[in-house]
Amino acid sequence: EPEVTQTPSHQVTQMGQEVILRCVPISNHLYFYWYRQILGQKVEFLVSFYNNEISEKSEIFDDQFSVERPDGSNFTLKIRSTKLEDSAMYFCASRAQGAGEKLFFGSGTQLSVL
Amino acid sequence: GDSVTQMEGPVTLSEEAFLTINCTYTATGYPSLFWYVQYPGEGLQLLLKATKADDKGSNKGFEATYRKETTSFHLEKGSVQVSDSAVYFCALSLTFRTNAGKSTFGDGTTLTVKP
Repeated sequence: EPEVTQTPSHQVTQMGQEVILRCVPISNHLYFYWYRQILGQKVEFLVSFYNNEISEKSEIFDDQFSVERPDGSNFTLKIRSTKLEDSAMYFCASRAQGAGEKLFFGSGTQLSVL
Repeated sequence: GDSVTQMEGPVTLSEEAFLTINCTYTATGYPSLFWYVQYPGEGLQLLLKATKADDKGSNKGFEATYRKETTSFHLEKGSVQVSDSAVYFCALSLTFRTNAGKSTFGDGTTLTVKP
């Protein structure tokens, strides 16, 4: 089965630093998502991306966050100035065209902000 | 808003026991329903899904039936194994919206199966 690939698997950074989390969605997918899961809490939607623009974002996704699809294969999440509370597992997901199509999730990037 | 409520965990069972994890939802439209599983140290994997009322999703011995009248999607397995130990998430996605892939997740239920 095709996979969504995320790198790195673990990222440690100092508070205030910028981080970029990288994802390679499945090649024929058109919709891309970032979710996060703070340890012990539920999985939360951050942002969705379609046709080279954000289609929806949550209140978590403030001005410190941005997403980009810099080429035909990568999908990145940037946090400009990390805070302690940004420590979480970040999951990228993608899906094909069509309502109800399932999301394929990557294995996640564990971000630790010190 | 849309929400998913899952049975609180953790749940501990002996091998070969029957499993039920309850899930109910509220949604403004007609959602697709999903169960995801997260094994220790891994990401989320789709376990099963159902897209309309009375559909039954099934995979790896797990089943869940979409019950519109009770807004429920309870996960069941007749005989659990130690390898089923994981966190299980119920989720919904509203299919009528353009951005149908945005999913709302429950809190997750941790299942531990003992030999």
